[in-house]
Amino acid sequence: EPEVTQTPSHQVTQMGQEVILRCVPISNHLYFYWYRQILGQKVEFLVSFYNNEISEKSEIFDDQFSVERPDGSNFTLKIRSTKLEDSAMYFCASSDARTWDEQYFGPGTRLTVT
Amino acid sequence: DAKTTQPPSMDCAEGRAANLPCNHSTISGNEYVYWYRQIHSQGPQYIIHGLKNNETNEMASLIITEDRKSSTLILPHATLRDTAVYYCIVRVAGGSQGNLIFGKGTKLSVKP
Repeated sequence: EPEVTQTPSHQVTQMGQEVILRCVPISNHLYFYWYRQILGQKVEFLVSFYNNEISEKSEIFDDQFSVERPDGSNFTLKIRSTKLEDSAMYFCASSDARTWDEQYFGPGTRLTVT
Repeated sequence: DAKTTQPPSMDCAEGRAANLPCNHSTISGNEYVYWYRQIHSQGPQYIIHGLKNNETNEMASLIITEDRKSSTLILPHATLRDTAVYYCIVRVAGGSQGNLIFGKGTKLSVKP
């Protein structure tokens, strides 16, 4: 069964550094998403992406964040200058055009900012 | 999107049916009920969704009351691997791309 993959599984970085989290969505999916979950808290929506542009973003997704689909398979989340409060689990998800509310999530990248 | 209310936790014996309730009394006519679950530290997993008719798939059944103000997710034969947080989400199908709003959900513990 096709699945969403994410790399790395765990990223440790120092405050102020840039990080890029990578995702490979399911191949025929057209809608892509990033969510995050701070330890012990709710899953929070960050951004959705369709047709090579952001379709919706939350208040969390400020100028420090950006997303890109650099090629036909990868979908990336960049945090320009990480802060301690960016430490969280970041989940990528994708869905197809027919059943776009059935989002398929990856296993997540645990980001630790020190 | 309408607000949902779920009990914070439930227990279920292995092999028995797990019935997870969700109240969504302010649901609108064009809003669907979605269920996702999150097994510890993993990404959320889509389970099922419905509008007004009961739905069944290989994972679960969804029973929606006639007035649509509440619903129940049924796992017919719960296993230890069904231990997870279950989220009931109400939203317009295809409305605002993305933006699944996860609440605190119900933590289901399946016990041997």
